[in-house]
Amino acid sequence: DTEVTQTPKHLVMGMTNKKSLKCEQHMGHRAMYWYKQKAKKPPELMFVYSYEKLSINESVPSRFSPECPNSSLLNLHLHALQPEDSALYLCASSHLPGRDPIGYTFGSGTRLTVV
Amino acid sequence: QQPVQSPQAVILREGEDAVINCSSSKALYSVHWYRQKHGEAPVFLMILLKGGEQKGHDKISASFNEKKQQSSLYLTASQLSYSGTYFCGTAIPTGTASKLTFGTGTRLQVTL
Repeated sequence: DTEVTQTPKHLVMGMTNKKSLKCEQHMGHRAMYWYKQKAKKPPELMFVYSYEKLSINESVPSRFSPECPNSSLLNLHLHALQPEDSALYLCASSHLPGRDPIGYTFGSGTRLTVV
Repeated sequence: QQPVQSPQAVILREGEDAVINCSSSKALYSVHWYRQKHGEAPVFLMILLKGGEQKGHDKISASFNEKKQQSSLYLTASQLSYSGTYFCGTAIPTGTASKLTFGTGTRLQVTL
């Protein structure tokens, strides 16, 4: 299995809703990432997990709450989002630094619309 | 600070060549190159780890000049399938993890 699977592919939520994005990989990668991508812009790093522990938080607002239940799963819990949070949310995974260097494998993303 | 790519956009006829440049104001530890088609995930193309390293597969290759903090992606005899947005990225190790910061992007369109 050489894929990162993200669900759902599309999500529309109100500003008072609570929802979760899910990401799964079975490549044995111990680093997992959340990126946010606005239209015609590069992906921006939000969170990095290594060995299921949060390693990097790029000063993301607390209305985004990541969780890594095990080495294959990564969730992003959403609560009280704003319309400007509408974007494509990408999950990625990779080996950790020090192992054979490879690129990041990205999922196809969740297109989120906040109304 | 993200790496800056040039050109921002380029249109090619099938069979033509292109060069995409990536420049950073900070030291580049490693350089990744990705291609993203509209509405799809970024796809990893290659990684360069050392200054002076050159890599390639098929008709796409890249070079890394560590001293100049620059990398270039070369597309030879372009095909329609090469269309998309190309991103360079620099992965900075931080403890047990690394941060991949993407460049500004280059939109490439290949036409008949």
